[in-house]
Amino acid sequence: AQSVTQLDSQVPVFEEAPVELRCNYSSSVSVYLFWYVQYPNQGLQLLLKYLSGSTLVKGINGFEAEFNKSQTSFHLRKPSVHISDTAEYFCAVSLYNFNKFYFGSGTKLNVKP
Amino acid sequence: NAGVTQTPKFRVLKTGQSMTLLCAQDMNHEYMYWYRQDPGMGLRLIHYSVGEGTTAKGEVPDGYNVSRLKKQNFLLGLESAAPSQTSVYFCASKFETGELFFGEGSRLTVL
Repeated sequence: AQSVTQLDSQVPVFEEAPVELRCNYSSSVSVYLFWYVQYPNQGLQLLLKYLSGSTLVKGINGFEAEFNKSQTSFHLRKPSVHISDTAEYFCAVSLYNFNKFYFGSGTKLNVKP
Repeated sequence: NAGVTQTPKFRVLKTGQSMTLLCAQDMNHEYMYWYRQDPGMGLRLIHYSVGEGTTAKGEVPDGYNVSRLKKQNFLLGLESAAPSQTSVYFCASKFETGELFFGEGSRLTVL
């Protein structure tokens, strides 16, 4: 089975500061990578995805992520966060056949004024 | 609005009772999934379906059963609920472009 590691369970940050949420995965084969966001009492929404091509992927709400195959990482970044970015963020991995998706344990981003 | 609808949204059960969670999608997706979300554990796959009439086990299938009699519906059943099944359950369907579309969740408490 694949594994997805999000080392930071909580990340506090001040408004307008940059943020990086880390995601590492274990796989010996090609994978597809995703970041999802979950606002309180809601389902998960797709932020961005990497399937192929450019390793720098841009998503919604100003987020971007970089796929690093050698380090098996897919870190999420935003240059300037807003209060409304407070949410829980999940990294997910899927193998080439897209049958299953494996999720990390989540990172709670708390943006302070 | 198009999407994934889960019913019920909240339910309290006593140990040993049974219940069924219904997931309905109107996007004509082939793949559907049931996940459970527990604090600090992310989402764990219970069962999934790659098309009408087919189901498969995920990471944590014990204590659950599923059925996909119609393409748009994916049912998750608990035959004899246990306190360990207290969780938030999410249904999702998959676009052909790879990403999942989630419902709003069903919060289940087993006393």
